[in-house]
Amino acid sequence: EDQVTQSPEALRLQEGESSSLNCSYTVSGLRGLFWYRQDPGKGPEFLFTLYSAGEEKEKERLKATLTKKESFLHITAPKPEDSATYLCAVRSNDYKLSFGAGTTVTVRA
Amino acid sequence: ETGVTQTPRHLVMGMTNKKSLKCEQHLGHNAMYWYKQSAKKPLELMFVYNFKEQTENNSVPSRFSPECPNSSHLFLHLHTLQPEDSALYLCASSFDGNNEQFFGPGTRLTVL
Repeated sequence: EDQVTQSPEALRLQEGESSSLNCSYTVSGLRGLFWYRQDPGKGPEFLFTLYSAGEEKEKERLKATLTKKESFLHITAPKPEDSATYLCAVRSNDYKLSFGAGTTVTVRA
Repeated sequence: ETGVTQTPRHLVMGMTNKKSLKCEQHLGHNAMYWYKQSAKKPLELMFVYNFKEQTENNSVPSRFSPECPNSSHLFLHLHTLQPEDSALYLCASSFDGNNEQFFGPGTRLTVL
């Protein structure tokens, strides 16, 4: 059975304090790993898709990387507006999409 | 309207009521999805439609009944729900079943 585990569950950062979120996965063949951002009371907002180990994607202060067993979402010099829950999802060879429980990031000014 | 819209945004219903959730996507996508999101739990996929045909039903109780009249609209009909069905119900769409999904804002459902 496909499994996606995100850590930590919650992360509190000071503005400007860079950090990383982890998404580890066990899947029968990876067809894609997706990162989303979700604000309270809203639907998830698509950020990145990664397909193969070694791939990296960047958007503003966010950078996503992928290895054969995990993905990291690096937040560089975060601002309060980066506060959100970040979700990771993986698609396996049978095209099933499995989500992790998310990491809630709080950035204090 | 742009993206994926959902109505209503909030719904409170009794266990004997019948109600429907509506989703509309303005992205020209061919696949649509219903998810349930409960606190501290991963998103649970409920139903998948590809080109209006249901391709996945993840053992969802029959008190939830989906309907997809065309590629742009998706409904979730609700009847005789239980309090444990209270959650955020999210609709999503994608170009096909393999690409990234785009989500609506969700309907916050409370069952009394």
